[in-house]
Amino acid sequence: KQEVTQIPAALSVPEGENLVLNCSFTDSAIYNLQWFRQDPGKGLTSLLLIQSSQREQTSGRLNASLDKSSGRSTLYIAASQPGDSATYLCAGAPISNFGNEKLTFGTGTRLTIIP
Amino acid sequence: DTGVSQDPRHKITKRGQNVTFRCDPISEHNRLYWYRQTLGQGPEFLTYFQNEAQLEKSRLLSDRFSAERPKGSFSTLEIQRTEQGDSAMYLCASMSARSSGNTIYFGEGSWLTVV
Repeated sequence: KQEVTQIPAALSVPEGENLVLNCSFTDSAIYNLQWFRQDPGKGLTSLLLIQSSQREQTSGRLNASLDKSSGRSTLYIAASQPGDSATYLCAGAPISNFGNEKLTFGTGTRLTIIP
Repeated sequence: DTGVSQDPRHKITKRGQNVTFRCDPISEHNRLYWYRQTLGQGPEFLTYFQNEAQLEKSRLLSDRFSAERPKGSFSTLEIQRTEQGDSAMYLCASMSARSSGNTIYFGEGSWLTVV
């Protein structure tokens, strides 16, 4: 059974700093790896999807990498802003054409950017 | 607003009562998913539909839970004889599964509190 772990559970950094969030998964035979953002009491917003044949994806100040051999993914946030404060969740799915079946989520990292 | 609507947003019910949640996906999306999220945890997969067909159900979905997607449009998730352990946020998501790498869109969730 796939397990996804995110460390740390919470992180506070001053505004403007670059930061890295970590995600590890037990079954490297899969996988498409996706990063989501969740604001308190809200649904999830997809940030980046890395398909199994890819190693990284970039969107604006966000960069996500995937290393299947080590079972790890990282989300890099450059020049952090207070608006980046949220919980960040990574999720993996079995290899498929679309990568979104039966996502297995980590418990998330609660990020606070201090103005 | 992601375009995925869930109703009601909040529901408080007494133990033993039945509750029903509705999800309206983005209109052209043929895949619809239900997840459950408890406080401090990541979402857990419950079930998903492709058009009107329910393709997979998690073991988390006991026989008190039933989901439908008549006509392949909106979906309902019914919980019969609710228990306190059913208290959670129920998330609906949709996606167009007609090509690879498509984004999954989550609704804002329906909060259930069983007292």
